[in-house]
Formats: sequence, structure tokens, C-alpha cells
Amino acid sequence: DAKTTQPTSMDCAEGRAANLPCNHSTISGNEYVYWYRQIHSQGPQYIIHGLKNNETNEMASLIITEDRKSSTLILPHATLRDTAVYYCIVNQGGSEKLVFGKGTKLTVNP
Amino acid sequence: GAVVSQHPSWVICKSGTSVKIECRSLDFQATTMFWYRQFPKQSLMLMATSNEGSKATYEQGVEKDKFLINHASLTLSTLTVTSAHPEDSSFYICSAEGGNQPQHFGDGTRLSIL
Repeated sequence: DAKTTQPTSMDCAEGRAANLPCNHSTISGNEYVYWYRQIHSQGPQYIIHGLKNNETNEMASLIITEDRKSSTLILPHATLRDTAVYYCIVNQGGSEKLVFGKGTKLTVNP
Repeated sequence: GAVVSQHPSWVICKSGTSVKIECRSLDFQATTMFWYRQFPKQSLMLMATSNEGSKATYEQGVEKDKFLINHASLTLSTLTVTSAHPEDSSFYICSAEGGNQPQHFGDGTRLSIL
């Protein structure tokens, strides 16, 4: 079973920041928080991951709370192409399997 | 970024035939590859994990004799659906992991059995 809880769906206006929350209250000390997204009829796309520090890359920012029980993925300027299902996954990394929950369906509106 | 190529992207075949799907890591060595299946409006479900040169580990409920997995090199894994039937119609997705790379996914294979 997935160890994360995410809202089923969210809407965001094009050009605005999209903030996607994730709860992972049972995360272990050696588990990372990974974010992937799946655009319709494609394979999941890796976005970002982090352990305890906030992370930023060209796609998004990841904010992890100090107690590591929740995190937020931030898409700073959402575009229509960001419409997808976003999955938050906790995992030790390496060769450990990823367990996908139901994710958050983000719809970016014009 | 890391690239995982999956082929074919879609296939339609008659019931009873076998179908082979290839998954290649193009720019890194994949010590571990994973095969997932996704039914419409559902999330990805892991079918099996394969490490190069060893037998795959199947998830509970996945028939190893029906879904044959070969991971003969660090850049290639194949999934063969043997004697496919309409209930095997699904979206099959592979992912690869190696070195310092997080898991990267192929674009999936849509399998339709008539």
C-alpha cells in the first residue's frame, strides 16, 4: 500500500503557481520523498526528490516540513502542459520498488 | 536526463499469441528494471522486479509463467506476455534504475488482445 496521502484533484490557473500537498506521516528516517507525474497515455515522468532539505530543479521545487511528515511540490508557473496526475512516493531509493497511490489529478485551466 | 525507451508503443494481436515488449536504458546502465501494468483509470501496479543476470521477482498474484521477464544485459529487459487473452489487454510500463539515477520510465506499451 502507498504510504502517502494526496488530494484526489486540484485546479490551477495557467501562469499561477501550483502547490500540491502530500502527507507521509509514517516516513522512515532513510526514506526519500519522490514526485512523479503521468500525462495521459504516457509513462510517469520523474520530477524531483528529496530527503529533508528543500530541493529545486528546472521543473519544480520540493518543500519538506521539518518533521518530514508532509511535503509540497511547487510548480512555479503552471502551463496547460502541466495537466497530469502527480504522484508523491516515499522510498529508500536505489533498487527499491515504487508504490504508486492514486495521486492528484492537476488540471491547469486557461 | 536519463532516457528509457520502450518498444513497441502499441500492439494489437489475436488471442493466443505471444507478445514481446522491450525496455532499454539508453544512457545509463540499469542494474534493476521494473515492469508495471496499468488498467484504465487506475494507478500503476508493479508486476515484477528484475536484476541483470538473475531471475525476476514477481509480485503476488502475477503469473511468472505467463509474464516472462528477461534482463540479459544492463541496458535491456524484455517482457513476454505468453498466450495472451483479452483480459491481458492493458498499458504495460517499464522503469529502470542504476547508479545514482532515480527510476526513469518508458512511455509504455498499449496492448490490445482481440
